[in-house]
Amino acid sequence: NAGVTQTPKFQVLKTGQSMTLQCAQDMNHEYMSWYRQDPGMGLRLIHYSVGAGITDQGEVPNGYNVSRSTTEDFPLRLLSAAPSQTSVYFCASSRTPTANTEAFFGQGTRLTVV
Amino acid sequence: KQEVTQIPAALSVPEGENLVLNCSFTDSAIYNLQWFRQDPGKGLTSLLLIQSSQREQTSGRLNASLDKSSGRSTLYIAASQPGDSATYLCAASKAAGNKLTFGGGTRVLVKP
Repeated sequence: NAGVTQTPKFQVLKTGQSMTLQCAQDMNHEYMSWYRQDPGMGLRLIHYSVGAGITDQGEVPNGYNVSRSTTEDFPLRLLSAAPSQTSVYFCASSRTPTANTEAFFGQGTRLTVV
Repeated sequence: KQEVTQIPAALSVPEGENLVLNCSFTDSAIYNLQWFRQDPGKGLTSLLLIQSSQREQTSGRLNASLDKSSGRSTLYIAASQPGDSATYLCAASKAAGNKLTFGGGTRVLVKP
């Protein structure tokens, strides 16, 4: 039972490079989201999706793009990495956006931008 | 804008003592309140979810209460064990869809 899988676990980027953080879930969850966790700031919502083909911005969306072409996958794209994007990124999913259901989190991707 | 606060930021207790973890939120119009555990270098594991219509939720040694009028939730862990050492996070959901606003967490150390 894989749950929410994030790849890679660690990544070092140079300023200006682009990359995609992958997130996949095998629970047929409708709702998926991305958070970043920074010391002293807690976890903050970047983008979320309530179903395939539907995405929306969270609290800190600048510098990030997302798409949701399938129920299972929700990749997060950094178009031009900046040192301020150094963080730990977590993907989460929950069963449906219309009910009280717990959120399941991936193991995180630790990203360093130099 | 919802703000969630957890005080203290860190807590150390001897094994066997009951743990009381506090969470406060500024907007009482929440959909649910969730408690998570995070081990170092790991993701978050859901512990308990309290719906806005509920006053408490229990799972084993864990009990979480919710008082929307005062903007508070409390997580109780009975008879703490060294394996309970972790960071505990609470998060409030404003609306259906699990758009969560997190507190900063309480780092717990249970000493043998």
